[in-house]
Amino acid sequence: SQQGEEDPQALSIQEGKNATMNCSYKTSINNLQWYRQNSGRGLVHLILIRSNEREKHSGRLRVTLDTSKKSSSLLITASRAADTASYFCAVPWGGSEKLVFGKGTKLTVNP
Amino acid sequence: KAGVTQTPRYLIKTRGQQVTLSCSPISGHRSVSWYQQTPGQGLQFLFEYFSETQRNKGNFPGRFSGRQFSNSRSEMNVSTLELGDSALYLCASSRGTVARDEQFFGPGTRLTVL
Repeated sequence: SQQGEEDPQALSIQEGKNATMNCSYKTSINNLQWYRQNSGRGLVHLILIRSNEREKHSGRLRVTLDTSKKSSSLLITASRAADTASYFCAVPWGGSEKLVFGKGTKLTVNP
Repeated sequence: KAGVTQTPRYLIKTRGQQVTLSCSPISGHRSVSWYQQTPGQGLQFLFEYFSETQRNKGNFPGRFSGRQFSNSRSEMNVSTLELGDSALYLCASSRGTVARDEQFFGPGTRLTVL
């Protein structure tokens, strides 16, 4: 089964609103990463948050990590049509160096 | 700084053939990882190479193989192609290990098997 799972699978919002997507994982991790993918293209790294961090910001992005609940959230504030993409969380698998991606949240921002 | 490049961008093959995909990482990056992305299975880790050594491998059959050269460029080979191998193949590079450093992805190679 997936190590990281995003929720919801799809999200549609109006431009200017905030978008929140969540990621849950199963095992202990030393970091969690979020990536964005525009339709059929390569992934773009957004944020890496380490297990000893609770919150991290980058521009309009805010990521939180709750290791006790094994979950993370990605908040995009004041969304724009250009934010339309799929968003993935990725975590190391168990104690290995493999990076495992969730199935992603497909975000649509309507003008 | 140039990004990760992958060639070719699109490829059409028939069942039973073999294919080689190429990836050039960002200069200075020693780790190259490969992923397969399909609508049904999502993004799946294939393998990672670091300093010419395969460091990790995903759950794929032996038909999938790869290598890394001394200049960190990497190739991935799929032999005896099956219809289910149709996918977007993504390559990513990073300075250090896959699980600890941000990865920079290439645009991918879209493989269609007929």
